[in-house]
Amino acid sequence: ETGVTQSPTHLIKTRGQQVTLRCSSQSGHNTVSWYQQALGQGPQFIFQYYREEENGRGNFPPRFSGLQFPNYSSELNVNALELDDSALYLCASSLALGQGGEQYFGPGTRLTVT
Amino acid sequence: EDKVVQSPLSLVVHEGDTVTLNCSYEVTNFRSLLWYKQEKKAPTFLFMLTSSGIEKKSGRLSSILDKKELFSILNITATQTGDSAIYLCAVEGNKLVFGAGTILRVKS
Repeated sequence: ETGVTQSPTHLIKTRGQQVTLRCSSQSGHNTVSWYQQALGQGPQFIFQYYREEENGRGNFPPRFSGLQFPNYSSELNVNALELDDSALYLCASSLALGQGGEQYFGPGTRLTVT
Repeated sequence: EDKVVQSPLSLVVHEGDTVTLNCSYEVTNFRSLLWYKQEKKAPTFLFMLTSSGIEKKSGRLSSILDKKELFSILNITATQTGDSAIYLCAVEGNKLVFGAGTILRVKS
């Protein structure tokens, strides 16, 4: 196990609703990245936070937003949910600024939008 | 647009076989290439490659990067059923871009 935790494990929401996903990073890691992984695809980068500031964003609309807290835990918020938002949402923590280095992934949150 | 392409998409082998997984990329401002193994949910880190021609090795797994031809390979020798997983390649440029993965199934 990596020490990165995510909650909840599974979630079912209705189109148009809002959702908040949570991630606790590995101890000592100050960088958190969020990814969306649709079935049969690789993870797609949503955004990254470094010391509570957004540090890079992928091709996702503004209804995907995030926060990082002083203890480096993080939230991903998605507003106005659409059916295509159904996916596995992964967070990854790392020591390295940027997006590579050795990232340690959490177990993910499986979101289903009906 | 940055792109990472993995091949094959899937393969089935028998225990003891050797497999080679491929990853080609087009990315701006290349910084590193990473390999991950994804079994159920969380991808687990395997290798990070930054320099051409230097093989990284961990047990039965090894990987090498060719920055001139823009590809990397991941080799697994003497495969075991526990190697069954999705193998993801990711390239870090201006952002981290993942390939779609290779689904490996090792039959006993």
